[in-house]
This record gives sequence, C-alpha cells and structure tokens, in this order.
Amino acid sequence: DIQMTQSPSSVSASVGERVTITCRASQGISTWLAWYHQKPGKAPKVLVYGASTLSSGVPSRFSGSGSGTDFTLTISSLQPEDSGNYYCQQASSFPYTFGRGTKLEIK
Amino acid sequence: EVQLVESGGGLVQPGGSLRLSCAASGFTFSSYTMNWFRQAPGKGLEWISYISSFGGSIYYADSVKGRFTISRDNAKNSLYLQMNSLRAEDTAVYYCARDVPSGGVDYWGQGTLVTVSS
Repeated sequence: DIQMTQSPSSVSASVGERVTITCRASQGISTWLAWYHQKPGKAPKVLVYGASTLSSGVPSRFSGSGSGTDFTLTISSLQPEDSGNYYCQQASSFPYTFGRGTKLEIK
Repeated sequence: EVQLVESGGGLVQPGGSLRLSCAASGFTFSSYTMNWFRQAPGKGLEWISYISSFGGSIYYADSVKGRFTISRDNAKNSLYLQMNSLRAEDTAVYYCARDVPSGGVDYWGQGTLVTVSS
C-alpha cells in the first residue's frame, strides 16, 4: 500500500496569512493526488484534484502543486471559513489512501 | 446539480448485516466510477471500495474484503454496499463518492451513520 505522510498535523494561523500543507507519498504517484477540506459533521469537499487542478467553485487562494512523491497545498491568504481539517489522498493505485489530516485553526 | 444521497445506516449488533444505498442524480451515473468511504468517530478518512462504471472492476480495502460487497444498478442510478459480519470497528459514517478521472473524488454524499454495538 502507498503511505501518505501529511504535515503538519495541526497549524494555527491568522487571517491573511499564507499556509502550506505538505503530503509525501511512499512511492511515486505521478499527479494522482487530491486535497479535501472537511468541516466538523460535514462531508469532505474536494479542493484540488490531479495534484494541481482547482475544483470548480474553489477560491483562487487555494493552489496545489507537486508530482511524483511530494505535494503541497497552499492557501495564499487565510480566511475564517478555511478552518477545519485538510486531507490528501492518492488515487494512483488501490487501496486509495489518505494522509492523517491537518487541523487548521484560525487564531 | 449533482446529488448523492446515502441511506440505510443505523444500529446493528456485532455479526449483523446492513445494506447501504446511494441515490445519484444530476449526472449520467453510468459514465462514472464510484466509491464508498468511511470515517470512524473522531478519525480520518478511509477508502473501502471502488466499482467501475458497469461493474466490471471492483476493489476493496483489506479491512472489509470478504465481508462487504459493492454493487450498482445503472438503470436505477444507484450504488449499494452490502455489509455482513459487522464488527464494532466498522462503526463510522459511510459516504458514497464520485470519481474524478484525473484522480480523487469530486462529489460526496452527506453520509450515513452505521453503529455496530450490542
């Protein structure tokens, strides 16, 4: 199975700050990676798929990059509604696997 | 508008069975591969099963292999998950989700809670 190592596990930042979350795959996955945002009690919402393609309706402050084993999700200017949990997921091979998540708190 | 609506969750005793359903609308269901995911209380996301657009390819996580069966009925725009021999560790919110061809899933249902307890 492909292991996804996500960091940091938690981050606290202020409105307007830049936040970066990273995900490392245990083997190359090309660009078969997605990022999700989840609020408590809600279903996840996709932010980025194909490593760098922004999903429809997702604000342009979000961006994804990377290929192979190293990936990054960047929020260029943090907004209050960005709080919650963020997950990366590889879709290169079965079983699909997720990172353990990053809890983002707004200061 | 794409919608995925799960149903069939509830309280079941260890060793029991449940069948989850996912009703799809707003898109051509037969053109998409589909998945089931779950999330145990306070835990992260776990993929559990995949089915191709006409059911010819199916995959399972090791944690459910031999106990869970994924299926679909394209005429009814519906996805199913038959869950047998349920264990306490299967307690979770179960989500159906639509695959994106370039990797990941783009639409999720609202989830249905399965609680396995005596």
